[in-house]
Amino acid sequence: DADVTQTPRNRITKTGKRIMLECSQTKGHDRMYWYRQDPGLGLRLIYYSFDVKDINKGEISDGYSVSRQAQAKFSLSLESAIPNQTALYFCATSDSDYRPGHSNYGYTFGSGTRLTVV
Amino acid sequence: AQTVTQSQPEMSVQEAETVTLSCTYDTSESDYYLFWYKQPPSRQMILVIRQEAYKQQNATENRFSVNFQKAAKSFSLKISDSQLGDAAMYFCAYRTPGFKTIFGAGTRLFVKA
Repeated sequence: DADVTQTPRNRITKTGKRIMLECSQTKGHDRMYWYRQDPGLGLRLIYYSFDVKDINKGEISDGYSVSRQAQAKFSLSLESAIPNQTALYFCATSDSDYRPGHSNYGYTFGSGTRLTVV
Repeated sequence: AQTVTQSQPEMSVQEAETVTLSCTYDTSESDYYLFWYKQPPSRQMILVIRQEAYKQQNATENRFSVNFQKAAKSFSLKISDSQLGDAAMYFCAYRTPGFKTIFGAGTRLFVKA
C-alpha cells in the first residue's frame, strides 16, 4: 500500500456541487498539506496542518475547507465547486523538523486527484 | 515573501548527455532547505535531491547533482548521462525549518533518443 493515499484518483463534478477529496497516510507524520497544481503555476498551498488541532490557511484557501480527522487523515472540501477549481490536487506529508534523528525534510506525496469542474 | 523562479519552462537533452535546470529563489532567511522534485507522466511527485543551506558542499545523488550558490540564491540541478526515464516535469522548492514549502512553476524536460 502507498504511504500516502488519495481518493478519488480522478473526478468530474458539476458547478455548484460539494465535493470532498480524501487523504490518508501511514508514515506517522505530524504534518499534512493540500496543494493544487496548475500548468505554469507549479504547486500552490491551499491548507496545512501541523497536528490534529492545528489548521492553517495557505496562499489560496478561498473556496476550500479542510478537516483533520486524525493524525493520519486530512480531507479537503470544495463547498460549491466552480470551473476554475479544475486542477490536480496533491496531499503531502512531512515529519516534524525537530524530531530527534529526523533527517529528511522533504515531502511524501500522494498520487494526486485530477478534479474537473464542468 | 519567499519566491522560487524557474526561468526555463521547457528543456531538451539528448540521451546520454548532460543537462542543467536553473532555479533561483528569494529569501531573507539564513537557514533553509532546497529541493528538486520530479513529476513523471504518472504524475507522482518524487524527491530527487535536497540541500541544506548551511552546507557548502553540493548535494549529489547518483547522476543528479546540484550547484548551490547561496550568495547568488541559485540552486541548479545537473542531470548527467540523461536517460529516457528522466523525461518529466522538475520542480524546484524551498522551505525554512518548521514552515511550508514553496514551489517553482516547473521545467519540463524532454529526452531525445
